[in-house]
Amino acid sequence: DVKVTQSSRYLVKRTGEKVFLECVQDMDHENMFWYRQDPGLGLRLIYFSYDVKMKEKGDIPEGYSVSREKKERFSLILESASTNQTSMYLCASSLTGGFSNQPQHFGDGTRLSIL
Amino acid sequence: QQQVKQSPQSLIVQKGGISIINCAYENTAFDYFPWYQQFPGKGPALLIAIRPDVSEKKEGRFTISFNKSAKQFSLHIMDSQPGDSATYFCAATLDSDDKIIFGKGTRLHILP
Repeated sequence: DVKVTQSSRYLVKRTGEKVFLECVQDMDHENMFWYRQDPGLGLRLIYFSYDVKMKEKGDIPEGYSVSREKKERFSLILESASTNQTSMYLCASSLTGGFSNQPQHFGDGTRLSIL
Repeated sequence: QQQVKQSPQSLIVQKGGISIINCAYENTAFDYFPWYQQFPGKGPALLIAIRPDVSEKKEGRFTISFNKSAKQFSLHIMDSQPGDSATYFCAATLDSDDKIIFGKGTRLHILP
């Protein structure tokens, strides 16, 4: 069974802090994703990585950066946290599908509050 | 062209009833339509998916109906149970694409 582990379930930080959210997957998946989930807005893609050190902006990358130094680990970085980044953050991973889309496997999320 | 529109935003159904969630898409190139189910405190998980070469796919009490000409697809949950209470996301993508575009979600509550 695929396991995607997010380092924290709940996190409280202050405005202006640099925040790191960590995600690890144990199934040797090529793809990893960071989403944020807000009520009424669904799941919005922040960043996508298709290989080590490779990344692609999603729909809402502003204020965020990512790091993928190892295949199993994908970090989301809030460079200078702001209150509008208070949200649920979800990490996911998937195999590269080629011609057939592969399911995304999600972690249980990190609920981040910026005070 | 990249949106997936999902309705209703929330839905309350009696136990044993049929739950219906509708989605519409704009990009006619999309050829893979998954549904994800999310329980409280958990991440979403793939529930069922359809490709447009069929008009319906059934897995147990869950059925996807697909109307290619109308660019619409829907999830039907037959004999809805309290354990089905969750948030459901429809999605669409190209089968060859690793990213998917999610709808905004439907919060389903089944009354016991």
